[in-house]
Amino acid sequence: AQSVTQPDIHITVSEGASLELRCNYSYGATPYLFWYVQSPGQGLQLLLKYFSGDTLVQGIKGFEAEFKRSQSSFNLRKPSVHWSDAAEYFCAVGAGLDTNKLIFGTGTLLAVQP
Amino acid sequence: DTEVTQTPKHLVMGMTNKKSLKCEQHMGHRAMYWYKQKAKKPPELMFVYSYEKLSINESVPSRFSPECPNSSLLNLHLHALQPEDSALYLCASSPFRGTDTQYFGPGTRLTVL
Repeated sequence: AQSVTQPDIHITVSEGASLELRCNYSYGATPYLFWYVQSPGQGLQLLLKYFSGDTLVQGIKGFEAEFKRSQSSFNLRKPSVHWSDAAEYFCAVGAGLDTNKLIFGTGTLLAVQP
Repeated sequence: DTEVTQTPKHLVMGMTNKKSLKCEQHMGHRAMYWYKQKAKKPPELMFVYSYEKLSINESVPSRFSPECPNSSLLNLHLHALQPEDSALYLCASSPFRGTDTQYFGPGTRLTVL
């Protein structure tokens, strides 16, 4: 069965520092992968997605993610974090071509220190 | 425009009340979703509508009743809820296929007293 693991429940970084949020997935075929961000009490905003092609994907707000099939990973990165990036980040995998289901990871809560 | 709107933003109801949540999108999407999200947890899928037909029901209790009157509108009717049903209810839409991106609304914060 498909699954998504986000090993880090909570991460704190200093403003201006680089960021990497980890995501590992379990899926039998080519995965469709997403990163969403959620500010407190808000809906989810799509940061970026990977369907096929270039394994380095650029997203909004200066985020990027790299798909590594050999490691079953889709880690999210940002070179310089801003205080406004503090939020919950969810990695998700599409459950298949014949279904509209998304499988979410448990999320990583990012705190940014001044 | 990738906007999904939800009303109301907040809802407080008693266990004997009947209320409804509303979700709307005008992107021409043909799949719409209801999710439930408890604090510090990922969203949990409740229902999926594809072409205005219910395609997935994740064994949700019958006190939650979805309705899709047309391709732009999705309702969630609530009746006889329990305090543990208090959560953020998120609506999403996508063009159709399982590979398509889902776009989320801001959610309705529901409190059941």
